[in-house]
Amino acid sequence: DAKTTQPTSMDCAEGRAANLPCNHSTISGNEYVYWYRQIHSQGPQYIIHGLKNNETNEMASLIITEDRKSSTLILPHATLRDTAVYYCIVKAGGTSYGKLTFGQGTILTVHP
Amino acid sequence: GAGVSQTPSNKVTEKGKYVELRCDPISGHTALYWYRQSLGQGPEFLIYFQGTGAADDSGLPNDRFFAVRPEGSVSTLKIQRTERGDSAVYLCASSLRMATEAFFGQGTRLTVV
Repeated sequence: DAKTTQPTSMDCAEGRAANLPCNHSTISGNEYVYWYRQIHSQGPQYIIHGLKNNETNEMASLIITEDRKSSTLILPHATLRDTAVYYCIVKAGGTSYGKLTFGQGTILTVHP
Repeated sequence: GAGVSQTPSNKVTEKGKYVELRCDPISGHTALYWYRQSLGQGPEFLIYFQGTGAADDSGLPNDRFFAVRPEGSVSTLKIQRTERGDSAVYLCASSLRMATEAFFGQGTRLTVV
């Protein structure tokens, strides 16, 4: 699986959009971009995934650049409960089947 | 239960002892995964099962670690001759084979003293 690079930490004001970047310049054609987050003392939680088109669900939006070498996870209206470590993962196939390779992620802190 | 259940939530053991960590996946999920997470690090893959068989055990660090899933549901991670370096949170996850997301449990915090 391709390697990902994320900033170590980011801050965001409550109610504002949080934009979390991820670089995956060595991504292959069959590899998807997945995002998980981990709130303190809990297991990771799936957020969203995509291949090349932008994706949106009830939690977030995922914007993937045309060359697929980077992506941005957008939390449109961040709340204090969105404070967590966010992991960008590149994985072959569009299902969860198989191992996930986590990096160190981005610590997002949402401030009042 | 509605989610992945792991027991115990905390386990303290002495160096050299044997421990077993249990995972109850979501009912009907055929795939089950074990990860280990050290402080300040992301989860590290250990093993995953498809049904009763280990489909990929490439993440097990050495032969002191072993996992089973005899009936294709509950899984047990077994660690022999524990070492202080085994101290970590052990996470279990499960999924349907063709699902887009894996569901994680809360983890078992193992401390070897």
